[in-house]
Amino acid sequence: AQKITQTQPGMFVQEKEAVTLDCTYDTSDPSYGLFWYKQPSSGEMIFLIYQGSYDQQNATEGRYSLNFQKARKSANLVISASQLGDSAMYFCAMREGRHLGYSSASKIIFGSGTRLSIRP
Amino acid sequence: SAVISQKPSRDICQRGTSLTIQCQVDSQVTMMFWYRQQPGQSLTLIATANQGSEATYESGFVIDKFPISRPNLTFSTLTVSNMSPEDSSIYLCSVELGSSALRTEAFFGQGTRLTVV
Repeated sequence: AQKITQTQPGMFVQEKEAVTLDCTYDTSDPSYGLFWYKQPSSGEMIFLIYQGSYDQQNATEGRYSLNFQKARKSANLVISASQLGDSAMYFCAMREGRHLGYSSASKIIFGSGTRLSIRP
Repeated sequence: SAVISQKPSRDICQRGTSLTIQCQVDSQVTMMFWYRQQPGQSLTLIATANQGSEATYESGFVIDKFPISRPNLTFSTLTVSNMSPEDSSIYLCSVELGSSALRTEAFFGQGTRLTVV
């Protein structure tokens, strides 16, 4: 079963507009962490933001915020005032708490990604 | 945070040959992770490299095809053996650091873009 679902394979947004990248997840574990990563065309993976399942507030990091709706199992990334440099692939990812403590199972599961293109 | 140096950054290889990718971390870590990202796809974990023991491989990946070394706490290598065009991917090295067990962030090397011809 798909653990992380990103339904938008590609998006085009005008520079300076806000953009929301969708992510839904599936887990029966009450303890989990959600991550967003950015991958520019150069290939490196850049950590953007983290949300824990028990966090009371939505995470924010500069222009990035995470719209965490636990009951709906969604963790959408919001980028405010988009810039040309935001053009990249964006991956939503999850780590489940039940994997912790097992050296071979402490792993992050990634979604299929959304390619964001910012128009000048 | 962690700084991870991975090399080569890219290579074009003949089918049937092998390529060894190196990953150096600027701090000591217990586990290092190797991922594969096929063209247009997401990341898939190949294996977890533990210092002093055999690597742990995920389903669909075997040691004969992807042998891994982990000689110390800051270095690991991944070899892609007997390559075929289907092995053309980006290979990424990763370590995980965090303030708590769950809030453990993955840091990645810049990746190795492999093309097999």
